[in-house]
Amino acid sequence: GAVVSQHPSRVICKSGTSVKIECRSLDFQATTMFWYRQFPKQSLMLMATSNEGSKATYEQGVEKDKFLINHASLTLSTLTVTSAHPEDSSFYICSARLQGNYGYTFGSGTRLTVV
Amino acid sequence: KQEVTQIPAALSVPEGENLVLNCSFTDSAIYNLQWFRQDPGKGLTSLLLIQSSQREQTSGRLNASLDKSSGRSTLYIAASQPGDSATYLCAVRVGAGSYQLTFGKGTKLSVIP
Repeated sequence: GAVVSQHPSRVICKSGTSVKIECRSLDFQATTMFWYRQFPKQSLMLMATSNEGSKATYEQGVEKDKFLINHASLTLSTLTVTSAHPEDSSFYICSARLQGNYGYTFGSGTRLTVV
Repeated sequence: KQEVTQIPAALSVPEGENLVLNCSFTDSAIYNLQWFRQDPGKGLTSLLLIQSSQREQTSGRLNASLDKSSGRSTLYIAASQPGDSATYLCAVRVGAGSYQLTFGKGTKLSVIP
């Protein structure tokens, strides 16, 4: 089946530093990827939609200069959290849309802790 | 704006029981609905996808139904096992022209041996 590999699974960083999260589609081409954020006991909240070769579309309230998304190829999308703060600590998950009506596949998530 | 609600928020059942998880959505004009499973600290695993024209989908011990007109979907799990313990999320795709999913908060299921 279609697999999205997400790395790292866990990362701890200091306030003010930047962290990059990668999502790779292993056996298919992902023209569209989605980035979600999940707080404890809450649902997934869509942050942005990225299309290969174009700028990402951010949801209302998401700072595009803080959460940089790059989708430079059909198999790789990255999310960079810049100048991280403790309130950015969360669980980040990427997702790729499958061709046809086959739904979506998700990465395994990244637990970000900013200290 | 589409809103998705899942009831109950948590459920604990003894092993072997059949159970039903509920999902409701406010705007019935959906394209499809998908049920996912999420284990603690992990990503999402797709369980069943129901297109708006379908009434139900089955996979093994899982059966998902969709009543679009009333804005409801149910996930039926037969003969529950401890390995079924996880959080179950439903998500709706709002339209053919939009690829965005709107998620519920999930139902945390615990199956007691």
